[in-house]
Amino acid sequence: SQQGEEDPQALSIQEGENATMNCSYKTSINNLQWYRQNSGRGLVHLILIRSNEREKHSGRLRVTLDTSKKSSSLLITASRAADTASYFCATVKGNQGGKLIFGQGTELSVKP
Amino acid sequence: AAGVIQSPRHLIKEKRETATLKCYPIPRHDTVYWYQQGPGQDPQFLISFYEKMQSDKGSIPDRFSAQQFSDYHSELNMSSLELGDSALYFCASSLTQGSPLHFGNGTRLTVT
Repeated sequence: SQQGEEDPQALSIQEGENATMNCSYKTSINNLQWYRQNSGRGLVHLILIRSNEREKHSGRLRVTLDTSKKSSSLLITASRAADTASYFCATVKGNQGGKLIFGQGTELSVKP
Repeated sequence: AAGVIQSPRHLIKEKRETATLKCYPIPRHDTVYWYQQGPGQDPQFLISFYEKMQSDKGSIPDRFSAQQFSDYHSELNMSSLELGDSALYFCASSLTQGSPLHFGNGTRLTVT
């Protein structure tokens, strides 16, 4: 990966359970974003957290950012079968024109 | 709401042939990005344009070139195709640099 690691690489849970995905990155950032991708489809933006923020919520999503450890986590609460997808974190550096550098992604499977 | 439009959806080419991928960004978005995603891989940044000027370049082979036209649509030209070029190619646009990216559904290129 151009950016860093995500873990786990794959996660299988039951509907109703929570799913936590972690992401580490290598350089200083302007913001970190999480995207979702259904198989063979385009990526969909989920949430953006700026470098001066520590936690952000959006519906069933909760994102944390620890810039001292260069890591972030995405928590999906009360998961649904429709949450089955790959989840990627991506970082934006301050002087890089807004391009996203992606991590390797976590493949989430939510069983009904 | 209008989304990013990519064409064609699928493309099959033979080795050493040329391919042209097209992208129509969301109106009023000032930045266009191209990404390449191999099977099971994270998206890799290729190139971006801000207000029709190339703004950043990533791991794009010399055989590839891209441009953004006066109507803001962008084209990725790929020559001397190799088997390893088989991948999903995504175009994305953003309202401003650093804001979330909106991805198209991609062009699946298969080189035989």
